[in-house]
Amino acid sequence: NAGVTQTPKFQVLKTGQSMTLQCAQDMNHEYMSWYRQDPGMGLRLIHYSVGAGITDQGEVPNGYNVSRSTTEDFPLRLLSAAPSQTSVYFCASRRVGNTEAFFGQGTRLTVV
Amino acid sequence: AQRVTQPEKLLSVFKGAPVELKCNYSYSGSPELFWYVQYSRQRLQLLLRHISRESIKGFTADLNKGETSFHLKKPFAQEEDSAMYYCALNAGGTSYGKLTFGQGTILTVHP
Repeated sequence: NAGVTQTPKFQVLKTGQSMTLQCAQDMNHEYMSWYRQDPGMGLRLIHYSVGAGITDQGEVPNGYNVSRSTTEDFPLRLLSAAPSQTSVYFCASRRVGNTEAFFGQGTRLTVV
Repeated sequence: AQRVTQPEKLLSVFKGAPVELKCNYSYSGSPELFWYVQYSRQRLQLLLRHISRESIKGFTADLNKGETSFHLKKPFAQEEDSAMYYCALNAGGTSYGKLTFGQGTILTVHP
């Protein structure tokens, strides 16, 4: 059972480039979320989804897009990377209700 | 809107000493609270949830609605407890599905 899988693990981008961080889960979880982790800021919610076709903004959505065409996948798109988006990104999934969140191993992104 | 505050970024104790990691929240509804832990080079994982009222690895946490707190406690810290700890709140109502985390506390237990 793979759980939550994120790709890539590491990425370096130049300012202005675009890319997609991939997240897939095989647990048939309804909820999926993207967070960024920055020193002193903790985990901040970027976007989340409560099911296929349904997404909503979190605390820091600017500069990021998401879509949820399937239950399994929840990609995060950076349209035009900026140095302020240098961070570690985590994807998480969980079942409906007040349930445990399962996290991916993270993607360390550097924008130069 | 929900908010989780962990006032201590860093906490250092010696092995065998008691430890308390503070968590305060603001939420207009009935909260569901969790503690997550991230050990070095590992994924974030659930430590405990308030509805379970259980002790995991010697840690306990009690929800105090009057003080809007959910502090994490352990009577005798161990070196293997050194990690990053996050308090999290699950929203309901119009924000259902939204899991909000605090800023995190790095706990270091010295030998």
